[in-house]
Parts: sequence; structure tokens; C-alpha cells
Amino acid sequence: QQQVKQSPQSLIVQKGGISIINCAYENTAFDYFPWYQQFPGKGPALLIAIRPDVSEKKEGRFTISFNKSAKQFSLHIMDSQPGDSATYFCAATYGNKLVFGAGTILRVKS
Amino acid sequence: GAGVSQSPSNKVTEKGKDVELRCDPISGHTALYWYRQSLGQGLEFLIYFQGNSAPDKSGLPSDRFSAERTGGSVSTLTIQRTQQEDSAVYLCASSLGGGILEQFFGPGTRLTVL
Repeated sequence: QQQVKQSPQSLIVQKGGISIINCAYENTAFDYFPWYQQFPGKGPALLIAIRPDVSEKKEGRFTISFNKSAKQFSLHIMDSQPGDSATYFCAATYGNKLVFGAGTILRVKS
Repeated sequence: GAGVSQSPSNKVTEKGKDVELRCDPISGHTALYWYRQSLGQGLEFLIYFQGNSAPDKSGLPSDRFSAERTGGSVSTLTIQRTQQEDSAVYLCASSLGGGILEQFFGPGTRLTVL
């Protein structure tokens, strides 16, 4: 019940394309749904987060879509660039805990 | 320093040995978290400190794992009698007031148990 399931495991997108990563959860007590970006040799960094009472949040080229009834949320990266190549993690918070998905390795081909 | 620092960056040890991993949080950050990232998996919560106390140790996988924090700053994660399944990247994060989304992560310590 504490899991967050993430797909796909890896993704290759052409430069300028849209990258889409999906996550699903079971626990309706989760407070926030953040996305993290991690480059090799670095720790994850918060990218964008959404509350469960909001259906969409956009920051620059990054958009979270949230479907509360389906218990699913997704990250869309518009106009994907080679510099976006990284591992992306969805997560959910409850109390002082972050529960992470397994990660998606994104490669943007130039 | 400007960010969270961890040492060593890499640690190779033999099965059965004890290891200590160190985390230096951002100055002034009262909350400190430890996570474990196994190959191909997401981060797994281990322990949370607020100041020097650890109100949540629920993620520690066994009694071989322990952590302490002194002076409200540096934290040490100790793994006793290491096993091969302990091989992972151990990440530390800190936040100013415990805000769960305001965590800044360090680069991690890659632990390899032979």
C-alpha cells in the first residue's frame, strides 16, 4: 500500500519530442506527489510537485497531470532536450516520509 | 559548504566488516534523512532526524543498521557485519525545518560489499 509504481523503466525520445513517464499509487493518504531528476553521480533534485486536489501543474517545459480517481499521475516533458537525459523518479509523501518509484532512465537523442 | 556532502564517495568492504558513512548537512538545516538506493530501484527511506533525535527509524532494515547525529549537524550511518545485500548507494538529505519537499540531497556513498 506504500508503493508507487513507475513506468517505463527506460525511455528514448528524439530531441524536440514529448517524454511521458507514468506512476500509480494505492494509498489515498499521500499528501504530495513530487517528481525528482537525478544525474549520474548526483543526488536527486526536486523538479516539480503537485497536491492531490489539483489536476495539472506546469513549470516551464515540465507538466504533472494528476488523476485522483484513477490514482495515477504522470510527468510530461515538452520539447525534450539532450540535457534532460537523466533518471526521473516519481514519489509520494506522507508525514515525514518520501516513497519513491523505481525510476525511469530517459535518454534524449539529438 | 554550499550543499550536502557525504564521505566517502565510494567504499569497498569485505563481508562481515563494519562501515561508517558520514553526512554533513547544509548549515542550519535541522532535519536530516538517510535513504538507500539499490541498483535499478528507487530510494528507500531509512531514518529521519530532527535535531539530534530520531523520531522515525522505521526504515532501518535490520539491527545491523544504526545512525546517530551529533550537535544537530553531522550524521553517521553505521552498518555492522556487512552483507552483500547491503551494497547500494546511501544518500543523505537535509532540510531547513523538516519540510518534506525542501530536502536537498547529497551525492551519496556507493557501498560495495564483496
